[in-house]
Amino acid sequence: RKEVEQDPGPFNVPEGATVAFNCTYSNSASQSFFWYRQDCRKEPKLLMSVYSSGNEDGRFTAQLNRASQYISLLIRDSKLSDSATYLCVVNYPNSGYALNFGKGTSLLVTP
Amino acid sequence: NAGVTQTPKFRVLKTGQSMTLLCAQDMNHEYMYWYRQDPGMGLRLIHYSVGEGTTAKGEVPDGYNVSRLKKQNFLLGLESAAPSQTSVYFCASRPLRELYNEQFFGPGTRLTVL
Repeated sequence: RKEVEQDPGPFNVPEGATVAFNCTYSNSASQSFFWYRQDCRKEPKLLMSVYSSGNEDGRFTAQLNRASQYISLLIRDSKLSDSATYLCVVNYPNSGYALNFGKGTSLLVTP
Repeated sequence: NAGVTQTPKFRVLKTGQSMTLLCAQDMNHEYMYWYRQDPGMGLRLIHYSVGEGTTAKGEVPDGYNVSRLKKQNFLLGLESAAPSQTSVYFCASRPLRELYNEQFFGPGTRLTVL
């Protein structure tokens, strides 16, 4: 069983829609949490770090619930350019901040 | 700055051949990592390094060796390639600072083992 679980999707939404991605992680010792974005056949790029108090960056809002080991990402007013795979990521404890990736959730925003 | 670069970008090997993948970063980062990505599997950690001269095993280290002789380079070796090692290999680096620092990824090496 993978330690970081995500709904694989795909999520197909129209432009302007709000879409939410959920993620759970199993290692309670993880201390850092991220959402990365990966475009087709490209390297992953950091979308945002996720803090315990929740944080927002423009149209993107991330939430973390450490008690239930749950991470979420909300995208408001979806754009065509948001089409990508969204990777939920936590750190491997005591492993030089190495990252443990979920399998990713695919998003397609249509006109 | 070039960031993180990987050599080669593509390679086809026959079973049993050996090769070395090179990762180079010009950001003076302490930490470097090798991941592999397979369809439907997400990225998995192969090996990592917390500084020049140090390496450690990750989640899927079998069949791979690594070396970090210079701070800016992290080499991944396949001594005897197997079809199961067909994958996209990503290298990443990050600075030695606090918890939420971003990892910077190279563009990947696409390896096929026949």
